[in-house]
Amino acid sequence: QSVLTQPPSVSGAPGQSVTISCTGGRSNIGAGYYVNWYQHLPETAPKLIISANNDRPSGVPDRFSGSKSSTSASLVITGLQAEDEADYFCQSYDSSLSAVVFGGGTKLTVL
Amino acid sequence: HVQFVQSGGEMQKPGASVRLSCKASGSTFGDYVVHWVRQAPGQSLEWMGWINADNDDTKYSQNFQDRVSITMDKSATTVYMDLTSLESEDTAVYYCARDRHCYSGWCIGQYFGMDVWGQGTTVTVSS
Repeated sequence: QSVLTQPPSVSGAPGQSVTISCTGGRSNIGAGYYVNWYQHLPETAPKLIISANNDRPSGVPDRFSGSKSSTSASLVITGLQAEDEADYFCQSYDSSLSAVVFGGGTKLTVL
Repeated sequence: HVQFVQSGGEMQKPGASVRLSCKASGSTFGDYVVHWVRQAPGQSLEWMGWINADNDDTKYSQNFQDRVSITMDKSATTVYMDLTSLESEDTAVYYCARDRHCYSGWCIGQYFGMDVWGQGTTVTVSS
């Protein structure tokens, strides 16, 4: 059971928007620790797409955006494209565990 | 443009140990921390620990209870991860990745995200 909770799957049609949630608690997201998001395609290494809650690293399309509120965070993908189909993971730090923690991952299907 | 190149796949028997390497190509690891993260089949990403490439400080996940050790060579271009007492549950793809970890000031304690990853190393543990 992951410390950060994500929905197992989301889906959307091309051009639509989807939101992936990441729910934590008072010792991680709620304590102010940054949330980072990764896109993971099969047979490749994960790719950082959102840094420090809402920053996009260079080269990441502005269709990807992140936000944080209280003990949760969200990744929004607008204008869905077929190549967005992947697993998405949130990550933060938990002070009670003294550990870097990941969400369970969300599989995005582009219909 | 730094790249991380990991060592090749491993097949080990239960109870054995494995050493994986992660070499920075085109640069050193600088003042980043280098994480080791693994993904077992069908599972999420799991953090194992990190080493601070600037001062050799390390931090480990309690989930591995002294089975893991992360070290770096003196040239600061290769990081190693040793995992002992292997079990079938350790079968996974293992990744190294760098991150900025803030030790002081306004951002103390923060991790800014793993922005460069190795290609992954498959470790299979089976009798």
